[in-house]
Amino acid sequence: NAGVTQTPKFRVLKTGQSMTLLCAQDMNHEYMYWYRQDPGMGLRLIHYSVGEGTTAKGEVPDGYNVSRLKKQNFLLGLESAAPSQTSVYFCASSLLRKKAGSEANVLTFGAGSRLTVL
Amino acid sequence: QQQVKQSPQSLIVQKGGISIINCAYENTAFDYFPWYQQFPGKGPALLIAIRPDVSEKKEGRFTISFNKSAKQFSLHIMDSQPGDSATYFCAASMSTGRRALTFGSGTRLQVQP
Repeated sequence: NAGVTQTPKFRVLKTGQSMTLLCAQDMNHEYMYWYRQDPGMGLRLIHYSVGEGTTAKGEVPDGYNVSRLKKQNFLLGLESAAPSQTSVYFCASSLLRKKAGSEANVLTFGAGSRLTVL
Repeated sequence: QQQVKQSPQSLIVQKGGISIINCAYENTAFDYFPWYQQFPGKGPALLIAIRPDVSEKKEGRFTISFNKSAKQFSLHIMDSQPGDSATYFCAASMSTGRRALTFGSGTRLQVQP
């Protein structure tokens, strides 16, 4: 029962380098999200996906790209890393519940990926 | 633009005391208000959630109070325990459309023995 798995857990990049963070979920969830967490700013939505083959921008999408070629995977790419992208990145997923209720939109998060850009 | 404002940023409570964290939102289209708990090195996990058709929801020692007219909601932790020491995030979302959660800035709670 893995839930949401993120790889890698830690990464150090130099300015201008590129990299991809991988998120995998085994719960057959339709929705997937990428957030970044910075001190004093909570979690901010980067990109999200409502299903296989679809992606959309969140609050802070600049400098990032995403792809969802398979339902269980959601990739976050940094084409040219900048020090401002130093952060902890969290992937999350949720079910598409047709009935509204107090638990209608429960996000399951991964353990996070800590990225440092020098 | 911060759509969900959370306070305080940090909180120290004695064991057995009551911890209170407050949040205010701006978007009246929000209709789902969860609280997430995060321990160091872990991802956030759902603690308790409420919809605006009720003013209060209680689960064990955790209670959400909701004031729709003031656009505010709060988390109360009764009989706070050292194991409750964590960062707490309030959040809000809509049932339709994007459905992604908009989070507050977080409150670091420390419960002293």
